[in-house]
Amino acid sequence: NAGVTQTPKFRILKIGQSMTLQCTQDMNHNYMYWYRQDPGMGLKLIYYSVGAGITDKGEVPNGYNVSRSTTEDFPLRLELAAPSQTSVYFCASIQTQTYGYTFGSGTRLTVV
Amino acid sequence: QKEVEQNSGPLSVPEGAIASLNCTYSDRGSQSFFWYRQYSGKSPELIMSIYSNGDKEDGRFTAQLNKASQYVSLLIRDSQPSDSATYLCAVNNNNDMRFGAGTRLTVKP
Repeated sequence: NAGVTQTPKFRILKIGQSMTLQCTQDMNHNYMYWYRQDPGMGLKLIYYSVGAGITDKGEVPNGYNVSRSTTEDFPLRLELAAPSQTSVYFCASIQTQTYGYTFGSGTRLTVV
Repeated sequence: QKEVEQNSGPLSVPEGAIASLNCTYSDRGSQSFFWYRQYSGKSPELIMSIYSNGDKEDGRFTAQLNKASQYVSLLIRDSQPSDSATYLCAVNNNNDMRFGAGTRLTVKP
C-alpha cells in the first residue's frame, strides 16, 4: 500500500517554463489537496478536489491549474513558472473530513 | 481571514521533560483539530486528532481542546530526542483546513 505518491521529488525550472507535478493515491480517497510550504510559513492550500471531475480553488491558486479525471490522480500544472513559485509542494488525501490528511513525500521546486 | 497561530519557537526541553505546544484559531465554526509532526525535509505526519472539548491521550501525547477559548494544545510527556521536529497545528471547518506555521521543538539529551 503506497499511500500518496508524488513525483518528481526535486525539480529546477527556468522562469517561463511549465511543468506538471504528479500525485497519485491508492487508498480510494475522495478528497485530494495541493499545498505549498514556504520556509517559516504554514501550509497554504492551492487547489482541492472532492471527487473525480470536481476541483476548486484554495487560498493561493494563481499560477496553477489542476484536473481530477480519476479518483487516484490529481496533477498540479504550473504554467509560466515564476521565482515566487519556488517552494515545497505537498499533495494530500483523506477519505472523509473527520480524519487528518495523508501527505505525499513532497516536491521541492526551484524556479531560477 | 481565518488564522491559526502558533509560537514559532524554538522550544527547547531536556530529555524526559514535558513539552507543551500551543495553538489558537480564529474560526469559531471549526469542527476538527489536528497535530502533525514534521521532521526537517520530510512531509507532515498526523499524530493526534481531537473533535470535542477536553483531553485526548495517545501514548505519550495528549491533545487538549477548549472551543470557548479557541485554543488547542499538545503535551508530550517523557520527551525524547526523537521528538525533535516542527509541530503543526491544523484546524478544519467544512473542508477548509488551515495550518499554523509550526513550533520547532528541540529535545536535548
